[in-house]
Amino acid sequence: GAGVSQSPSNKVTEKGKDVELRCDPISGHTALYWYRQSLGQGLEFLIYFQGNSAPDKSGLPSDRFSAERTGGSVSTLTIQRTQQEDSAVYLCASSGGLAGGTDTQYFGPGTRLTVL
Amino acid sequence: SQKIEQNSEALNIQEGKTATLTCNYTNYSPAYLQWYRQDPGRGPVFLLLIRENEKEKRKERLKVTFDTTLKQSLFHITASQPADSATYLCALRMDSSYKLIFGSGTRLLVRP
Repeated sequence: GAGVSQSPSNKVTEKGKDVELRCDPISGHTALYWYRQSLGQGLEFLIYFQGNSAPDKSGLPSDRFSAERTGGSVSTLTIQRTQQEDSAVYLCASSGGLAGGTDTQYFGPGTRLTVL
Repeated sequence: SQKIEQNSEALNIQEGKTATLTCNYTNYSPAYLQWYRQDPGRGPVFLLLIRENEKEKRKERLKVTFDTTLKQSLFHITASQPADSATYLCALRMDSSYKLIFGSGTRLLVRP
């Protein structure tokens, strides 16, 4: 596709329910990232994928959060037993995975999650 | 502790003036520093990257400086336009890591 897409764009759920957020990266991008942005805050790193493996899960806030990536493409972020503090915008980014540190990350529009 | 600080107050300037945004960091040694623009309801968009061994980088009306001694980056928009109004985020990247560490952003308002 032309850019990174995410679905749904908005999700309202009740406390205790599970949610799945989807990210479709730019075709051919090997690296994929999930970030979380709370109101008025910067982006908080959650997890990084290179291909289908996740060498860095250091940002996942608790074991209620998990993510997978299949076929080196689509990724799903799952939050189990949602809590009100999980309410935020969840952003996905992808990049070509180039070595050398100049790899540019391209962001999707985000999924706004509201936990009631 | 490690911190990235951007001015949380909005910067309000007149069209045509130069906007200068600041990013300060402590207890990091970034190899790269990036600036992103974010509009409401959208994801960040990459603008410029500067390496630790570079002092200044320019792109059209944008200029970024990087002072690793002061641990500070300045982001300038010359001849500002109302369309430049957005939130601007700085992000650090360590040499050994793929992840970006973001500041909380500064909102820029350019008055016509």
